Amino acid sequence: RKEVEQDPGPFNVPEGATVAFNCTYSNSASQSFFWYRQDCRKEPKLLMSVYSSGNEDGRFTAQLNRASQYISLLIRDSKLSDSATYLCVVVSGTYKYIFGTGTRLKVLA
Amino acid sequence: EADIYQTPRYLVIGTGKKITLECSQTMGHDKMYWYQQDPGMELHLIHYSYGVNSTEKGDLSSESTVSRIRTEHFPLTLESARPSHTSQYLCASRNDRAGNTIYFGEGSWLTVV
Repeated sequence: RKEVEQDPGPFNVPEGATVAFNCTYSNSASQSFFWYRQDCRKEPKLLMSVYSSGNEDGRFTAQLNRASQYISLLIRDSKLSDSATYLCVVVSGTYKYIFGTGTRLKVLA
Repeated sequence: EADIYQTPRYLVIGTGKKITLECSQTMGHDKMYWYQQDPGMELHLIHYSYGVNSTEKGDLSSESTVSRIRTEHFPLTLESARPSHTSQYLCASRNDRAGNTIYFGEGSWLTVV
């Protein structure tokens, strides 16, 4: 079993739709969690950190469920520009950043 | 925007050649990383460094080597490139004082023919 698992998708959604991704992790001692966005053939860029109480940044909402060991990302009112791969990142220890394989999102006009 | 730079961005070289991928950051970050990523696949950590003169191998076995003589510089070297080394190499850095956020360079696309 992988340490971090994501549904690879693709998720094809119409503009304006709400879409949610989940990411599960196996190490209960994991300390930090992030969502990164990666466009095709580009580097990953930080989308948002994930806090225990949940956090929101505009149309994006991230949540952490430590009991069930998963994090989620909700995108409301999807835009064409949201089309990308969304990477879940889980941090354990001082250096161990584990990246998920990513979930591909395609927003359709 | 993160101030982390990689050169070359794109490189095509012949089998057996020695190459060095450069990575520099101007953020004063003490921790630096090299990841390898094939198109559409996950990132794999190949090397990391906690600071000057500190380097460690990552989770993915790699024939490359790294050095960290200066805080801002973390080059990766392949002594003898092979077609199996064809991939994207991503350099990253972070600083505990700025939280756990890791910042990536734009990547170096290597093709070995």
